[in-house]
Amino acid sequence: GQQVMQIPQYQHVQEGEDFTTYCNSSTTLSNIQWYKQRPGGHPVFLIQLVKSGEVKKQKRLTFQFGEAKKNSSLHITATQTTDVGTYFCARRGAGNMLTFGGGTRLMVKP
Amino acid sequence: DVKVTQSSRYLVKRTGEKVFLECVQDMDHENMFWYRQDPGLGLRLIYFSYDVKMKEKGDIPEGYSVSREKKERFSLILESASTNQTSMYLCASSSAFQGLAGRETQYFGPGTRLLVL
Repeated sequence: GQQVMQIPQYQHVQEGEDFTTYCNSSTTLSNIQWYKQRPGGHPVFLIQLVKSGEVKKQKRLTFQFGEAKKNSSLHITATQTTDVGTYFCARRGAGNMLTFGGGTRLMVKP
Repeated sequence: DVKVTQSSRYLVKRTGEKVFLECVQDMDHENMFWYRQDPGLGLRLIYFSYDVKMKEKGDIPEGYSVSREKKERFSLILESASTNQTSMYLCASSSAFQGLAGRETQYFGPGTRLLVL
């Protein structure tokens, strides 16, 4: 199937630092979804982007969809320990099937 | 709130055993999915179902089968468990409707961590 590549695989930051994870596809995406999975938990939907160049914000989280709709990013400003977890991007296809990126595991040092 | 439940949080089985993982959702969702999650590989789709008695292979169906006899229940079956099937198994459900805010997301169960010895 169509791959969605996500980098970095791991990120260790000091509390208060910013964090960004990137999602890339070799083909044009009709949409991109982002999920967060806390340690020991299950993925929870955060947001969906569908428009070229779209930017959405949720408090300290900023989600972007590239102009060419081949990449997306999630940026967290001033990380907190509650941000710890793995962040996944996913491409939604027919029948609401999702193809997930490999995830970025965020660790925050207090 | 959508609730997706899975029959076990932790399971230990022996090689060659038949294993059943059950998933139930209470939102009358048409679509149900089974994923496995392994470190560094993200979530990989095993099978999905878009209606009762309907099933489609995902990216890694080998060694697995599924059953959907009722709309709310989707079962994953390992006919003869092997050690390389040790993993976290996640079930998810979603509405079949697309393009409506809130209907496009997948809702995940808590996961079953399976260890095959």
